[in-house]
Amino acid sequence: GENVEQHPSTLSVQEGDSAVIKCTYSDSASNYFPWYKQELGKGPQLIIDIRSNVGEKKDQRIAVTLNKTAKHFSLHITETQPEDSAVYFCAASRDRGSTLGRLYFGRGTQLTVWP
Amino acid sequence: SQTIHQWPATLVQPVGSPLSLECTVEGTSNPNLYWYRQAAGRGLQLLFYSVGIGQISSEVPQNLSASRPQDRQFILSSKKLLLSDSGFYLCAGASLTDTQYFGPGTRLTVL
Repeated sequence: GENVEQHPSTLSVQEGDSAVIKCTYSDSASNYFPWYKQELGKGPQLIIDIRSNVGEKKDQRIAVTLNKTAKHFSLHITETQPEDSAVYFCAASRDRGSTLGRLYFGRGTQLTVWP
Repeated sequence: SQTIHQWPATLVQPVGSPLSLECTVEGTSNPNLYWYRQAAGRGLQLLFYSVGIGQISSEVPQNLSASRPQDRQFILSSKKLLLSDSGFYLCAGASLTDTQYFGPGTRLTVL
């Protein structure tokens, strides 16, 4: 099956700085890569996703890049704010929403933004 | 988009007692449904998934079971809880035209 590795496990940045979280995957057939943000005591919330036919996607301060050849994808958060502090998960799957489309998750990154 | 409901939000149960956690989905039909557990640390462990009524696949052998009596209802059960069943349980759903969304979770403490 798919194996997703995520780094770093913890990340501390000063407010206003950028944060980058990186993930690698093993299954070259994976074609859908979502990112989730989980605040303490809550369920993960989808913040951005990308499909394999796109190399980059941006939504305000958040961007995701995908390198299919190297099988890695990254989350970029610019102008970080204290409310960005949370655990972030990357995931990979073959087909979004299909019967085989279970998500394989990385182990998470605890991001702390210091004011 | 779909909305995932879970209850209860928190639960404290003695060892050896039964368990029933319920998850319902609104805003979509015939979704794939998933139960995850998040123990100490941050990892999301997939426990069960279902592609339709009565169809359950188990990812890991354990003290738990799942059932899907209706299209948008997913239940996680145990006959006798163990201390190791403590954790944060998350239900998620995904439709063919949308991504996977998570519910708010149930914090289970087994004493």
